[in-house]
Amino acid sequence: DAKTTQPPSMDCAEGRAANLPCNHSTISGNEYVYWYRQIHSQGPQYIIHGLKNNETNEMASLIITEDRKSSTLILPHATLRDTAVYYCIVRGGADGLTFGKGTHLIIQP
Amino acid sequence: GAVVSQHPSRVICKSGTSVKIECRSLDFQATTMFWYRQFPKQSLMLMATSNEGSKATYEQGVEKDKFLINHASLTLSTLTVTSAHPEDSSFYICSARAGGRGGTDTQYFGPGTRLTVL
Repeated sequence: DAKTTQPPSMDCAEGRAANLPCNHSTISGNEYVYWYRQIHSQGPQYIIHGLKNNETNEMASLIITEDRKSSTLILPHATLRDTAVYYCIVRGGADGLTFGKGTHLIIQP
Repeated sequence: GAVVSQHPSRVICKSGTSVKIECRSLDFQATTMFWYRQFPKQSLMLMATSNEGSKATYEQGVEKDKFLINHASLTLSTLTVTSAHPEDSSFYICSARAGGRGGTDTQYFGPGTRLTVL
């Protein structure tokens, strides 16, 4: 699976949109981009995934660049409960996930 | 979304004893489940892949005789930490793979089990 690069931490004001970037320049054609988040002392929570088209669900939007070398997870109206570590993971197969260090998103009141 | 449960959520045991952790997919069948371990301030590390009806496959450096995995049904996998030692104290998390959109399969995670070995 391709390696991903994320900023170690980000701050966002409550009520604003949180935009979390992820670089995956070595992604190959059959690999999907997945986003999970982990709130302290809990198991990771699935957020969204995509291949090349932008995706939206009740939690977030995923914007993937046309060359697929990077993506952005958007939380449209961040709340304090969105404070967590966000992991961007690229995978093409059915194997276990490889977690990097992720981005620690802190929502400020 | 798909729900995965783990039991117990927290366990404290004495050194040398064995501890069993259960992972259940509550509303879907999972032919494959995964076990991860997370030490403080670190990311999750994959320990092993559990396949229903067959032997688990372990990641490099994970002792198969110490971490026994059984996947007896499509909704249940168990991890037994045998002869536990203080260095086995960690947060153990399972995930179950569910079939998804466009042929992808999304992994859904349990809430985790905090193991403390005294």
